[in-house]
Parts: sequence; structure tokens; C-alpha cells
Amino acid sequence: GAVVSQHPSRVICKSGTSVKIECRSLDFQATTMFWYRQFPKQSLMLMATSNEGSKATYEQGVEKDKFLINHASLTLSTLTVTSAHPEDSSFYICSARRRYRVMNTEAFFGQGTRLTVV
Amino acid sequence: DAKTTQPTSMDCAEGRAANLPCNHSTISGNEYVYWYRQIHSQGPQYIIHGLKNNETNEMASLIITEDRKSSTLILPHATLRDTAVYYCIVETSGSRLTFGEGTQLTVNP
Repeated sequence: GAVVSQHPSRVICKSGTSVKIECRSLDFQATTMFWYRQFPKQSLMLMATSNEGSKATYEQGVEKDKFLINHASLTLSTLTVTSAHPEDSSFYICSARRRYRVMNTEAFFGQGTRLTVV
Repeated sequence: DAKTTQPTSMDCAEGRAANLPCNHSTISGNEYVYWYRQIHSQGPQYIIHGLKNNETNEMASLIITEDRKSSTLILPHATLRDTAVYYCIVETSGSRLTFGEGTQLTVNP
């Protein structure tokens, strides 16, 4: 299957700093990427949909100024957690679907990024 | 958007078939059923998906009822490595995949 790579896999940062997480589709072009957040013992919560070349669409309750998403190319989307606080500590996961085949096609997920804010 | 209902947890003996049910009674005609699983602290892994016909691949089989209101994921010979949370998802509008609580499958030796 196709590969989606996230970097870093684990990051610890100080409260008040910003952290950038990268999501790359390694062997296919992804018009659309998705960002999820997962707290311990909970399911994945969709945060936003990232479309190449346009602004991301955020789910209700997700602060767009705190979670900056950039999707500058068909293979790269980034999520920046700005002014991180301990409550932002979570497991962040991205996924991607193939270009022009968004419906009826599986999504591929990255391995996730464990963010710890101290 | 159609919602899904799954049992919270299930157990299965190693080597036996694991049958995971999912109810999606509000599914609409053009919505697909997807199954993913998540092993602890990893990203979800795609398993299989279908519209109305039964599907089979190297990982599993998907049985969808004729009225499409429910489906069953079948792992024919479960192994310890199949222990994971299994998510049944109906494709939502805008092609977003939203996850429910899933079923924690534990395969016992």
C-alpha cells in the first residue's frame, strides 16, 4: 500500500513554544490530507481537512489560529501547534487520499506524532 | 452523516475466526463502509471497504447485509498480532473519515 510518513514521531517542547509536524505522501500525490488528534484511551478526532493550494477546513471547536495547517504541495502538509500548552499534549495523526480519487478509495495514515508539552 | 455502532470489546481465541459486527442503519445509498484498525500507539491501518457486495482481500472479508444496515468484518484466522481497536466507518460528506469508538479486539493464546 501507499506510504504516508510523519515527522517527528515524538517531540517534547516547552510551554509557549511552537511545534511543526510534517506529513508526507511518499509515493503518491494527495490533493487532500486530514489531521487528527487522539487523547489516551479515546478515538481519533478529526481536526481539519487540508487541501493543496487552499485554506484548510477546520472542524467545529478547533482553533485555526492555534493549529496552523499548510498544504503547499501535493505531497506535503504541515501542522503547526502554536504557543503550545500542556493540554495540547496528544497523539497527532495525518492521513492522505490519492489525488482525484478521494471517494471510494482508502486513506493512508502516518505513524503519528506524540507531542508532550512540559 | 451515517453513524456506526460497534461493541466496545470482543475476545477471540488465536487461530479462530474473529467476527466483528457493525450497525450503520442510517447509511445512504452512495456511502461506503470502511474498516480500519489501530494497534496501540500507531496510526490506523486500512483493512477493507465496500459498497454493497461482499469483499475479500488478503487481510479480511467484509460481509454487508442486503439492506446495507449492518456489516461484519471477518478475520479468518486471528493471530495475537490482530489485537487492536477496529473501526467501522461510513464515508461522510466531503470525503472526511470520522472515527467512532471502535471495538477493542483481544486475541488470546
